[in-house]
Amino acid sequence: KAGVTQTPRYLIKTRGQQVTLSCSPISGHRSVSWYQQTPGQGLQFLFEYFSETQRNKGNFPGRFSGRQFSNSRSEMNVSTLELGDSALYLCASSLTSVSGSTDTQYFGPGTRLTVL
Amino acid sequence: LAKTTQPISMDSYEGQEVNITCSHNNIATNDYITWYQQFPSQGPRFIIQGYKTKVTNEVASLFIPADRKSSTLSLPRVSLSDTAVYYCLVGAPVFQGGKLIFGQGTELSVKP
Repeated sequence: KAGVTQTPRYLIKTRGQQVTLSCSPISGHRSVSWYQQTPGQGLQFLFEYFSETQRNKGNFPGRFSGRQFSNSRSEMNVSTLELGDSALYLCASSLTSVSGSTDTQYFGPGTRLTVL
Repeated sequence: LAKTTQPISMDSYEGQEVNITCSHNNIATNDYITWYQQFPSQGPRFIIQGYKTKVTNEVASLFIPADRKSSTLSLPRVSLSDTAVYYCLVGAPVFQGGKLIFGQGTELSVKP
């Protein structure tokens, strides 16, 4: 079974631009979560989507947004980029089985975003 | 959400058993304990998950005492490739509205 894939793997943008990152979950997984990882702040939760609805959100400004499509694929958008947005953006998917006891999140390789 | 405390770094040698302990005094009844491994510039990789007592898989064991206020990840016979950051997470399953809260992790360095 293929793992979580993220595109692009690397991205360079300039301040003020916007960027869209894509995530394809493991086949059959319905939940997609996004995280930001920086050396200073570590791994931080951005938001989680399930069945095209945002169920949970972290403490990030409104410039960070996302969406999920009917096939569970998800995109994350960052508008008006700032230097501090340079980070590794990680996507994770999980099965979210109502009858299951746990819901392990499986991470993709990440997208390295550099803002100049 | 339960907060976790684990050592910032640990050193070991190839072939040794490594035990990383995580403290989570405020763990809730429906919380599970999950460990992830992360190599530089890669996404975290799931290692093991448990609720109580002992869980073992092909790569690690997880020991959880009865009070569940701590847990220990045990890596048998580590190799150089086990050098990574290990994260202990405590939380409810995603479908219950839980989200993964990563602490600073434990940087394990395995030496030859």
